[in-house]
Amino acid sequence: AQKITQTQPGMFVQEKEAVTLDCTYDTSDPSYGLFWYKQPSSGEMIFLIYQGSYDQQNATEGRYSLNFQKARKSANLVISASQLGDSAMYFCAMREGTGGFKTIFGAGTRLFVKA
Amino acid sequence: NAGVTQTPKFQVLKTGQSMTLQCAQDMNHNSMYWYRQDPGMGLRLIYYSASEGTTDKGEVPNGYNVSRLNKREFSLRLESAAPSQTSVYFCASSPWDHRETQYFGPGTRLLVL
Repeated sequence: AQKITQTQPGMFVQEKEAVTLDCTYDTSDPSYGLFWYKQPSSGEMIFLIYQGSYDQQNATEGRYSLNFQKARKSANLVISASQLGDSAMYFCAMREGTGGFKTIFGAGTRLFVKA
Repeated sequence: NAGVTQTPKFQVLKTGQSMTLQCAQDMNHNSMYWYRQDPGMGLRLIYYSASEGTTDKGEVPNGYNVSRLNKREFSLRLESAAPSQTSVYFCASSPWDHRETQYFGPGTRLLVL
């Protein structure tokens, strides 16, 4: 069965520093997609970044990058130059197959950015 | 362009009552989803609709029914609400050819007493 694990319930980072949020996954399907979403205190879910299991390079979107280590089954999110507005819950998620619809989410990591 | 809209924003029900959560998207997306989010947990997929005219069960479908009314609208119905269905419900949509990107609505907070 597919599973997403986020072991850090909460993280603190100083403004302007980089932070890594951990995510490990488990699946027997060779084809899958990995995502990160941000949920601010206002409650909406915001898509950040996507990595396909066959993608050769790590995904990047602005200050976000996904450190994809397939052999270790990890998909850590790296946020560079943290900003106060980055304070939020962050969820790692996985979708079965490259064309599937079912997505499972981890329990989330709450990030606090300190001024 | 409103994106994904959900109504109501907040609802209180008594055990056994029924209600329908409404969701609409104006992005011409083929696929739509319903999730629930419980405290301290990530989202769990209830049902999804890959395209107009189709619906499929997700991870936690028991106690719910859905209707894909047309391409824009996807409703979630609780026939007999239970306290265990107290949660925040999110609707989302995605384009057929970019399913990795789901756009979420603002959520409906449901309390079942």
